[in-house]
Amino acid sequence: DAMVIQNPRYQVTQFGKPVTLSCSQTLNHNVMYWYQQKSSQAPKLLFHYYDKDFNNEADTPDNFQSRRPNTSFCFLDIRSPGLGDAAMYLCATSRDLGSSYEQYFGPGTRLTVT
Amino acid sequence: DQQVKQNSPSLSVQEGRISILNCDYTNSMFDYFLWYKKYPAEGPTFLISISSIKDKNEDGRFTVFLNKSAKHLSLHIVPSQPGDSAVYFCAARAGSYQLTFGKGTKLSVIP
Repeated sequence: DAMVIQNPRYQVTQFGKPVTLSCSQTLNHNVMYWYQQKSSQAPKLLFHYYDKDFNNEADTPDNFQSRRPNTSFCFLDIRSPGLGDAAMYLCATSRDLGSSYEQYFGPGTRLTVT
Repeated sequence: DQQVKQNSPSLSVQEGRISILNCDYTNSMFDYFLWYKKYPAEGPTFLISISSIKDKNEDGRFTVFLNKSAKHLSLHIVPSQPGDSAVYFCAARAGSYQLTFGKGTKLSVIP
């Protein structure tokens, strides 16, 4: 089945220690998104890639970076995690920006910062 | 400043009855509205959408109603089944790529 895969499902990191979360997709979609969802909150878009073009949301902290080496993979790098960065991180895809109303989500990575 | 609001954090419904999940929004520029369903330990799954030029969209047991004058969206599930128990997110798009999500409503369907 075509899908969106996130690894790891659970990640524990120390305060200030860089961490990378991974997302891959077999849908061959052009757009990949990263969302942050804190407990009992709505998912919040951090950034997206349309093919190789990166688009950062205005209020996404500089601490968050992303890489997309090819169509299938996208990474979220948190350079110096703080306690406030503990959250569920969701990766999503859509065929293109025009069909962004139909996004396919991965299961998420729950990040704990100690 | 929440542009998409789901005011009920939870809802319990008897199996076989109708479930009605509600969503209010403030941005008149939203052109698409969506519902996503999320089971524990899984990512949200697209359920149903409606364009702002329509007032109703139906897909099997799921119907979404849009009242633009009231800026109100609702999802009806008839009949409700225990497998429908999940968190339901309302989301909206304002003509670009970005989806704005509500905080979700946890639906429990009691057998």
